[in-house]
Amino acid sequence: KAGVTQTPRYLIKTRGQQVTLSCSPISGHRSVSWYQQTPGQGLQFLFEYFSETQRNKGNFPGRFSGRQFSNSRSEMNVSTLELGDSALYLCASSLLHKEGKNIQYFGAGTRLSVL
Amino acid sequence: AQKITQTQPGMFVQEKEAVTLDCTYDTSDPSYGLFWYKQPSSGEMIFLIYQGSYDQQNATEGRYSLNFQKARKSANLVISASQLGDSAMYFCAMREEGGSEKLVFGKGTKLTVNP
Repeated sequence: KAGVTQTPRYLIKTRGQQVTLSCSPISGHRSVSWYQQTPGQGLQFLFEYFSETQRNKGNFPGRFSGRQFSNSRSEMNVSTLELGDSALYLCASSLLHKEGKNIQYFGAGTRLSVL
Repeated sequence: AQKITQTQPGMFVQEKEAVTLDCTYDTSDPSYGLFWYKQPSSGEMIFLIYQGSYDQQNATEGRYSLNFQKARKSANLVISASQLGDSAMYFCAMREEGGSEKLVFGKGTKLTVNP
């Protein structure tokens, strides 16, 4: 079974631009979450989607947005990029069990550099 | 609010020896899950082990075991028979079982296995 696929792996953008990152979850997984990882702040939760609906959102400005499609693939968008948005963006998917033991499996991440 | 504390920024261990990575957590929710992930320099977060708050026994997965002490709110990871490939960042994370998949991560511990 293929794992979580994130594209692209690397991105270089300049301040003020916008960027879209893509995440394809493990087949059958309907929950997708996004995290930002920086040396200073560590791993921080961005948002979570399930069945095309945003279920939870982290404490990030409105420049960060996301969506999920009917095939469970997800995209996140960052508009008006700032230098501080340089980070590793990780996507995770999970198969929601009624028993609650849901494991999030992560992709390899997209490393975004803002110049 | 949920909080994860990993007090060891770096740890060193000799190959074939066992090592314990510390993790303490804070939550007011009686139902939660605890996770350990490994992150090699490539960036991908690799799931290692899960412990539910109501699980009676400590979780084990191959060379990984979780020393879960609920009263002390600690969930230490034990790696037995360390291998050179175990050198990586290790993150402890928690999810409150309230319907969201959101994970809260600690700052991580960098493990170095010496030959």
